[in-house]
Amino acid sequence: QKEVEQDPGPLSVPEGAIVSLNCTYSNSAFQYFMWYRQYSRKGPELLMYTYSSGNKEDGRFTAQVDKSSKYISLFIRDSQPSDSATYLCAMISQGAQKLVFGQGTRLTINP
Amino acid sequence: GAVVSQHPSWVICKSGTSVKIECRSLDFQATTMFWYRQFPKQSLMLMATSNEGSKATYEQGVEKDKFLINHASLTLSTLTVTSAHPEDSSFYICRGLAGGPTDTQYFGPGTRLTVL
Repeated sequence: QKEVEQDPGPLSVPEGAIVSLNCTYSNSAFQYFMWYRQYSRKGPELLMYTYSSGNKEDGRFTAQVDKSSKYISLFIRDSQPSDSATYLCAMISQGAQKLVFGQGTRLTINP
Repeated sequence: GAVVSQHPSWVICKSGTSVKIECRSLDFQATTMFWYRQFPKQSLMLMATSNEGSKATYEQGVEKDKFLINHASLTLSTLTVTSAHPEDSSFYICRGLAGGPTDTQYFGPGTRLTVL
């Protein structure tokens, strides 16, 4: 079993829809949870990170962490074609340096 | 914001030759550099971790004699693919980190290596 599971998609939704991206994990030691966006043939860029459980909002993006269920989500409201990319979840334990990545979900927002 | 650059962005080489990829942190000091490779439609695979002035720590299954990593300064790390073969063709990405997991950290834009 992988430490982090993420549905690779592809996921295709119409413009303006609410997008929900999710990851599950098995290592209860993970404390920091990140979401990265990667455009084709580019390096990943950090969208949001959350420490422990709870919600965090930044503009159209909301990150949720439920440590009891070992489940994290990224919501994108009012999705735009420019949001079309691969979204990678990543997580790390306290004191560790190595990020553990999910497989990435390919998202396409159709105009 | 902080930027990590990589050079070259795309390189094509003949089988058997060596290729050097540079990763620079432009406005922060990266005490740790991570090197990843990514195959099409797959996630990032960590190859090695290097701390400035120290030897790199390689992940299981990564040949340290084939993928030479140097982290001579806080702003520059290099990955040299020695005697490259077509199966080494991939997207190589570095990530610079200054401090802990929530401190400054940025991925480079990646280098596409094609070995003929």
